[in-house]
Amino acid sequence: EVQLVESGGGLVQPGRSLRLSCAASGFTFDDYAMKWVRQVPGKGLEWVSGISWNSDTIDYADSVKGRFTVSRDNARNSLYLQMNSLRAEDTALYYCAKAGCGGTRCYINYWGQGTLVTVSS
Amino acid sequence: DIVMTQSPDSLAVSLGERATINCKSSQSVLYSSNDKNYLAWHQQKPGQPPKLLIYWASTREYGVPDRFSGSGSGTDFTLTISSLQAEDVAVYYCQQYYSTPETFGQGTKVEIK
Repeated sequence: EVQLVESGGGLVQPGRSLRLSCAASGFTFDDYAMKWVRQVPGKGLEWVSGISWNSDTIDYADSVKGRFTVSRDNARNSLYLQMNSLRAEDTALYYCAKAGCGGTRCYINYWGQGTLVTVSS
Repeated sequence: DIVMTQSPDSLAVSLGERATINCKSSQSVLYSSNDKNYLAWHQQKPGQPPKLLIYWASTREYGVPDRFSGSGSGTDFTLTISSLQAEDVAVYYCQQYYSTPETFGQGTKVEIK
């Protein structure tokens, strides 16, 4: 059974940093691209970032480019999102998501439960 | 950026009746090299993460009931629930993965009439 467990969310002041982690299990992690998608509670879905199976292809939404960095450790079956210079508008539930292919131009076929990030003073 | 526009925003359907959700992209998501539409549909029930229903516009994910079907090509797509069940109450999102930034529709809320 595919499991994606996010951690690292919490309350953080504007301008500070936070690192999200996603522990993956139940599939061969290094065969698949991974993505981060966020959702303001009660609102729609916003794609944040994607990383290919071998980290050769990495993409970001313009809203986070230059502030967020996605990475993965295939030996640890883990995905990360380093979030710097956080803003109030980054407040959201952050989902870790597995793609159905190794490349990033692929559908999401599994979602984690999400970890809540709140940026506030 | 490709803008995804769903219609309607909300929909109330009687149990056992058909529900139809439309999704229009601001540019084609059909990749001519492989003749695939880079379009997925996700279902999100209250308090839960989204769940994939359909990918490549019309391929049903394993385990998804066959009352869910996807159709369309290019810029116009449809998700159809042929016979609405109580457990189908949810918000449904279309998503394009043709190009980055990947984008979602605003969501369509499906309720029981």
